[in-house]
Amino acid sequence: AQSVTQPDIHITVSEGASLELRCNYSYGATPYLFWYVQSPGQGLQLLLKYFSGDTLVQGIKGFEAEFKRSQSSFNLRKPSVHWSDAAEYFCAVGGLTDSWGKLQFGAGTQVVVTP
Amino acid sequence: SQTIHQWPATLVQPVGSPLSLECTVEGTSNPNLYWYRQAAGRGLQLLFYSVGIGQISSEVPQNLSASRPQDRQFILSSKKLLLSDSGFYLCAWSNRGYEQYFGPGTRLTVT
Repeated sequence: AQSVTQPDIHITVSEGASLELRCNYSYGATPYLFWYVQSPGQGLQLLLKYFSGDTLVQGIKGFEAEFKRSQSSFNLRKPSVHWSDAAEYFCAVGGLTDSWGKLQFGAGTQVVVTP
Repeated sequence: SQTIHQWPATLVQPVGSPLSLECTVEGTSNPNLYWYRQAAGRGLQLLFYSVGIGQISSEVPQNLSASRPQDRQFILSSKKLLLSDSGFYLCAWSNRGYEQYFGPGTRLTVT
């Protein structure tokens, strides 16, 4: 079955430390890949996207993500987190021929940043 | 640039009352439009999507309905709210199947 998995429900990281959020997908072909961030009580904001080409994608707020076809992964990273990065992060896939126009979201990873 | 608006921002309604949430998009034409719901501590559930005026696809059977009376207006409705309709409702738009852009959301509490 097609799926998007974010294995970590909750991550706690110290301010200034590095952050990596995992995302794995299970689809026959390479989908379009996205990372979104949601602060409490707000809508989702697009951090970055991958359609094709360079497998290392730069996004807003200092985030980057790497697509690894062999691992069906699209992990999000930030070298040094700030307190304002505390939020929920969603991985999503789209561009699927049998559900064109729709996104499949992972369950989300809650990130807590400690001083 | 494109912007997306949702209102109201918050709403408290009694069980059995009607519902109308509105979403409008500016700065783009003929977008795909989407309604999602987030229940507390849960992920996003796609409720409806629309590829054009009057064209609505429902993803989940429920007592909610959606309409698209104008190109950039998307409305979520219910005739009689249930307690289980409480949640955070998000509207989103996209240009024909690519990334989606989300509105600020409406927090609905059914009492």
